[in-house]
Amino acid sequence: NAGVMQNPRHLVRRRGQEARLRCSPMKGHSHVYWYRQLPEEGLKFMVYLQKENIIDESGMPKERFSAEFPKEGPSILRIQQVVRGDSAAYFCASSGGMDSYEQYFGPGTRLTVT
Amino acid sequence: GQSLEQPSEVTAVEGAIVQINCTYQTSGFYGLSWYQQHDGGAPTFLSYNGLDGLEETGRFSSFLSRSDSYGYLLLQELQMKDSASYFCAVRAGGATNKLIFGTGTLLAVQP
Repeated sequence: NAGVMQNPRHLVRRRGQEARLRCSPMKGHSHVYWYRQLPEEGLKFMVYLQKENIIDESGMPKERFSAEFPKEGPSILRIQQVVRGDSAAYFCASSGGMDSYEQYFGPGTRLTVT
Repeated sequence: GQSLEQPSEVTAVEGAIVQINCTYQTSGFYGLSWYQQHDGGAPTFLSYNGLDGLEETGRFSSFLSRSDSYGYLLLQELQMKDSASYFCAVRAGGATNKLIFGTGTLLAVQP
């Protein structure tokens, strides 16, 4: 299956811990997007990355959140010192380029902060 | 600000036709996409309109009027498996390819 992969699918963290979410894009894709979805709400854009570059981070909270997409390996969304309000589903999507209108989504990581 | 408005819920019966409307107000616009999401799972792409008019893909069609900042998704010959949430999303364009999602419409198909 060459689709977008995310792991873990479920993650439980205590307040103050760190959460690391991983995303492997579809084969051949070099553009990755992270979105957050709260229950009963739409998806909110967080960050858009290309290999080794952050293209748009206008949706990222200013503190505690960071993202990277290294030359080798998956994209990582890192949340430091998690709080209960970080509990959400985090979806990763990929596309073949900036001109691509179709984004392919992964199954998401459900983060629960206790 | 940026906003996309959709009805929160729609109910229809099997075999019927349903239209889900979307009005948008965004600072940038390259096109309007539609995504389907079952039970909080991975959103899947349905349709895209970069220009005004109707796009047809099987039982699903999508329409865009850029002058009215309005689009809709039309689902024909409804099936039970179409019960899901449907999101319109504006492709922001410019130096980014991010999607700005609407609030979502929960479609319930009844027998």
